[in-house]
Amino acid sequence: GAGVSQSPSNKVTEKGKDVELRCDPISGHTALYWYRQSLGQGLEFLIYFQGNSAPDKSGLPSDRFSAERTGGSVSTLTIQRTQQEDSAVYLCASSLLASSNSPLHFGNGTRLTVT
Amino acid sequence: QKEVEQNSGPLSVPEGAIASLNCTYSDRGSQSFFWYRQYSGKSPELIMSIYSNGDKEDGRFTAQLNKASQYVSLLIRDSQPSDSATYLCAVNYNFNKFYFGSGTKLNVKP
Repeated sequence: GAGVSQSPSNKVTEKGKDVELRCDPISGHTALYWYRQSLGQGLEFLIYFQGNSAPDKSGLPSDRFSAERTGGSVSTLTIQRTQQEDSAVYLCASSLLASSNSPLHFGNGTRLTVT
Repeated sequence: QKEVEQNSGPLSVPEGAIASLNCTYSDRGSQSFFWYRQYSGKSPELIMSIYSNGDKEDGRFTAQLNKASQYVSLLIRDSQPSDSATYLCAVNYNFNKFYFGSGTKLNVKP
């Protein structure tokens, strides 16, 4: 079946502009995660959804970052007033349910470049 | 703070050798453990999961878990140049929290 789909695959924006990144999880997966990966670095947790609610927003770096999920499916990560330090690959992952035995399945990511 | 530690490498092994990748974690409450492979410029890909102490084999890959010592390892037998990638260790704690190590870069030389 289809995997996790993210769009756009690449986004170049000017400093100060807002951007929206989209994630379409694997059908039936109830849990959805956003991570950020800067060049040569590890994965930085941003936010986690169970259904449409976000029990854990602890990783959002600032109030410029927000995310929502509708219909228990598609999620949008919004970055307002982008800064150069926001440049990174934003990865979305989903898992079947909130269980310790459910692994994460990643999308191909959105590469964001802020000029 | 839950920590997952990996040697960043690079770990270089000749083709056909066994590559051994190690990971330690700080929280004894951790419940499940995963290994991901990430090729340069690509997203992480799940290759192994392990939930109980001991070994789990899947093809050329063997995951080993020792909860008492809080480490998990990945062995790659008959290493191939196509195995060259960064390997990420992930630990799941309390159902919905995944903690990732920074990854070990593996180079398999022909």
